[in-house]
Amino acid sequence: QQQVKQSPQSLIVQKGGISIINCAYENTAFDYFPWYQQFPGKGPALLIAIRPDVSEKKEGRFTISFNKSAKQFSLHIMDSQPGDSATYFCAATDSWGKLQFGAGTQVVVTP
Amino acid sequence: EAQVTQNPRYLITVTGKKLTVTCSQNMNHEYMSWYRQDPGLGLRQIYYSMNVEVTDKGDVPEGYKVSRKEKRNFPLILESPSPNQTSLYFCASSLSRDSYEQYFGPGTRLTVT
Repeated sequence: QQQVKQSPQSLIVQKGGISIINCAYENTAFDYFPWYQQFPGKGPALLIAIRPDVSEKKEGRFTISFNKSAKQFSLHIMDSQPGDSATYFCAATDSWGKLQFGAGTQVVVTP
Repeated sequence: EAQVTQNPRYLITVTGKKLTVTCSQNMNHEYMSWYRQDPGLGLRQIYYSMNVEVTDKGDVPEGYKVSRKEKRNFPLILESPSPNQTSLYFCASSLSRDSYEQYFGPGTRLTVT
């Protein structure tokens, strides 16, 4: 059973547009919420992460919004670029460091 | 260069033929883990190890074995592979159990016929 639910499965956005990926979780023991980016033929790499005591974190064009009461968090990619085309995974982990991943979202940015 | 390496990168084998996928990291990380990636399911943890000689089951351990005799190596063993173990496998490591950033290897694509 997927402990972290991610949507959409895929999205297509034009260059310069905003990509939004949503995730939801049930386990209140989760205390760290990373996002991983994966390019074809490569392993996932940490993109950005947030703790539940913060409602928003921004790093460059990437922003995580976190809603603790709703147990939801999302990734916004502003000014999307063709180089952002990749699969994005949300994840959640508890104090034991065991990562639970979402199913992934394939993002395609068209020129 | 700090990295996690896996070998082989690609493997086609037959049902029941024992195989080992090696994983090695050069970052002196304590925590290592194996995942399998399947379409629509994301990454699911198979086994993890918090330190040498300490291993534990993840979410999908059936049909797999691991060992951690040295800090840098964490091989994944399939004693009797079956077609449902056809998947993309990733090894990952992190500084410690409490360090949330995991570094992933390049992946091993396994096909069991």
